[in-house]
Amino acid sequence: EPEVTQTPSHQVTQMGQEVILRCVPISNHLYFYWYRQILGQKVEFLVSFYNNEISEKSEIFDDQFSVERPDGSNFTLKIRSTKLEDSAMYFCAPITQGNTEAFFGQGTRLTVV
Amino acid sequence: DAKTTQPTSMDCAEGRAANLPCNHSTISGNEYVYWYRQIHSQGPQYIIHGLKNNETNEMASLIITEDRKSSTLILPHATLRDTAVYYCIVRVVGNYGQNFVFGPGTRLSVLP
Repeated sequence: EPEVTQTPSHQVTQMGQEVILRCVPISNHLYFYWYRQILGQKVEFLVSFYNNEISEKSEIFDDQFSVERPDGSNFTLKIRSTKLEDSAMYFCAPITQGNTEAFFGQGTRLTVV
Repeated sequence: DAKTTQPTSMDCAEGRAANLPCNHSTISGNEYVYWYRQIHSQGPQYIIHGLKNNETNEMASLIITEDRKSSTLILPHATLRDTAVYYCIVRVVGNYGQNFVFGPGTRLSVLP
């Protein structure tokens, strides 16, 4: 199973602050998905990303969210002005070229206080 | 919304086979069945996927009915570490923009 690294593993931030969550790719990662899971709830799709463009996004992924892959390195999810309800686990799930299954990272636990 | 229905919870004795059912009666011809599991708050772990033939790997077996309206994930010798929430997902292979839609899944408890 291809290894996917997410950083940080846990982040505590104050409401209204910006946070950047990172997913460290392997070279042949093709598509990226971001998901979130609020404690005790379902895993929810946020956005899919390919070739430096958003492929699909959910209604959760509003103007407060953005994704990018700066310089072809880390794949990032940014939340511009965090709200209490953004507290959740955030998972990155890339798909490698030639495969069809997504392998999820261990996630970043975001706590907004 | 998820296109699959699964029992909310199941128990299985350690060392016995765990058979987890999934209904996907509206599955399309180009949709595959995927299974993932999630242990605690860890990231979902890929288990297996298939189209219409039965599949087996080192983790599990996937049995898909001939009409493809349901499937069963089999863990042949369940251990305590297999206690997790198991998700059955249908998705079009090759449509990379399409995301994986997670339902509530089945909470499997492996009992000593």
